[in-house]
Amino acid sequence: RKEVEQDPGPFNVPEGATVAFNCTYSNSASQSFFWYRQDCRKEPKLLMSVYSSGNEDGRFTAQLNRASQYISLLIRDSKLSDSATYLCVVNMLDSNYQLIWGAGTKLIIKP
Amino acid sequence: NAGVTQTPKFQVLKTGQSMTLQCAQDMNHNSMYWYRQDPGMGLRLIYYSASEGTTDKGEVPNGYNVSRLNKREFSLRLESAAPSQTSVYFCASSVGQGRYGYTFGSGTRLTVV
Repeated sequence: RKEVEQDPGPFNVPEGATVAFNCTYSNSASQSFFWYRQDCRKEPKLLMSVYSSGNEDGRFTAQLNRASQYISLLIRDSKLSDSATYLCVVNMLDSNYQLIWGAGTKLIIKP
Repeated sequence: NAGVTQTPKFQVLKTGQSMTLQCAQDMNHNSMYWYRQDPGMGLRLIYYSASEGTTDKGEVPNGYNVSRLNKREFSLRLESAAPSQTSVYFCASSVGQGRYGYTFGSGTRLTVV
């Protein structure tokens, strides 16, 4: 089993819709969780950290479910500019320097 | 505001050739990282440097060496390139252990033929 698993997609979603995707992780002791965004042929950029209580940043909401070992990302009122690959990232048990990256979920927003 | 600068952006090597990828950050970050990204896989850590003067192996260090030249610069060397090292390489830096996220360079697309 991969340490961090994501549905590769692509998710094809009409503009204005709400879209959600999950990421599962295998290490129950992980403490740090992140969502990054990566545009085609560009570098990853931090979208948001994921806190135990869940957190929201504008149209984006991230949730953590420790019992089921998954994190989720919800995008409301999707924009064309949200088209990208979303990377789920989790730290390794013994080191915050070593993050485990999911392969990403590709999102395509259609007009 | 440069952030993290990587050079070169593109490179083609023949099997057995050597090269050094350069990375510099101007954000006064303590920690720096080298990753590779292959299709269908998550980023994999090659080496990291928690602070100036220290380097440690990541998940896939074989075939690579690194140098943390000073606080700003962290280079990655391929001594004898192999086709399996064809990949996109990203350098990143962070404040401390990256709790507030990493800043990435724009990447180096390396092809080994």
